[in-house]
Amino acid sequence: NAGVTQTPKFQVLKTGQSMTLQCAQDMNHNSMYWYRQDPGMGLRLIYYSASEGTTDKGEVPNGYNVSRLNKREFSLRLESAAPSQTSVYFCASSLAGVAPYNEQFFGPGTRLTVL
Amino acid sequence: EDKVVQSPLSLVVHEGDTVTLNCSYEVTNFRSLLWYKQEKKAPTFLFMLTSSGIEKKSGRLSSILDKKELFSILNITATQTGDSAIYLCARSGSGTYKYIFGTGTRLKVLA
Repeated sequence: NAGVTQTPKFQVLKTGQSMTLQCAQDMNHNSMYWYRQDPGMGLRLIYYSASEGTTDKGEVPNGYNVSRLNKREFSLRLESAAPSQTSVYFCASSLAGVAPYNEQFFGPGTRLTVL
Repeated sequence: EDKVVQSPLSLVVHEGDTVTLNCSYEVTNFRSLLWYKQEKKAPTFLFMLTSSGIEKKSGRLSSILDKKELFSILNITATQTGDSAIYLCARSGSGTYKYIFGTGTRLKVLA
């Protein structure tokens, strides 16, 4: 099992460019999440998908869109990148349901720089 | 959404010391509180706490949740340089599966 995979690992964009971050999990998890991590800010939830076919906003959704393509895949799109979106992006998944199924497994992260 | 506050923000200790990391939050209705260790890349899971007063233990690490006083602590005894990392706690949102993370405690253990 690969767990949670993310592509790309690194990306540099110019202001105004668009891109999609890809995430896939092979653990048959129901819920998937996108976070960003900035120095001194911890992990902040951008969007999450509690189950296939549903998506909800997190703390910092502005400037992002998501697609839960199927149970395995959850993508994050930046339509018009801004320097404030320079960050490390993590995808995570969890089986979800009644505890103890809430543990989140994280992907390796994507380091995005917007110039 | 309410905050999850971790303290201290950073800590430097020597090998063999014992450390206590704190995580406090504001709501009473939630499913679980999680602790993660983050070294260079992705956070890795340490503990899940769902019931107040029950200690979870794994080797030199232990954690306990106090739902009445709205906090959790992570203890690390006999610290080693390999314990150097950022430690994150996260509380599940009430009625949902989303999580709110604290800013983390950066621990550095000196040889």
